[in-house]
Amino acid sequence: GAVVSQHPSWVICKSGTSVKIECRSLDFQATTMFWYRQFPKQSLMLMATSNEGSKATYEQGVEKDKFLINHASLTLSTLTVTSAHPEDSSFYICSAQDKSSYNEQFFGPGTRLTVL
Amino acid sequence: DAKTTQPPSMDCAEGRAANLPCNHSTISGNEYVYWYRQIHSQGPQYIIHGLKNNETNEMASLIITEDRKSSTLILPHATLRDTAVYYCIVSPGYSTLTFGKGTMLLVSP
Repeated sequence: GAVVSQHPSWVICKSGTSVKIECRSLDFQATTMFWYRQFPKQSLMLMATSNEGSKATYEQGVEKDKFLINHASLTLSTLTVTSAHPEDSSFYICSAQDKSSYNEQFFGPGTRLTVL
Repeated sequence: DAKTTQPPSMDCAEGRAANLPCNHSTISGNEYVYWYRQIHSQGPQYIIHGLKNNETNEMASLIITEDRKSSTLILPHATLRDTAVYYCIVSPGYSTLTFGKGTMLLVSP
């Protein structure tokens, strides 16, 4: 099956710094990628939809200036958490949509962000 | 997207079949039923999806009622590694996936 990777798998940073998370589709081209956030004991919440070559679409309540998304190629999307604060600590998960396979979404393994 | 209703938790003995129900009474004609699972601290894993016919793959079987208002995911021989949260999602397929709370399946020895 299709493989999606994320890097890093976990990161610890100081409050006020920025953190970049990469999401790659390894064996297929993904014109659309999605970013989710998951707090402990909660379900995944969609943050934004990322389309290659265009601006991301953010869900209501998600600050686009704080969560910068770049989808510059068909296999790579990045999420940058700017000026991170402890409340941004969460599990960030990306998914990539494979249009050649019934638009199935394949998920990355997730990135655990801890802001001190 | 239509909403789904799943039991919050289920137990299953190792080696037995696990039958996970899902209600989606407001599903639209163009919406598929998707099943994903999430093992603790990992990304969701695709299991299976269907429109109106029953489907089977190497992981599971999906039984969709004739009126499409409910479905059942069947893991034929559950193992300890099948312990996870199982999400039933309805979506047109070209759209985003909305995750509910899912069913926590605990497989015990």
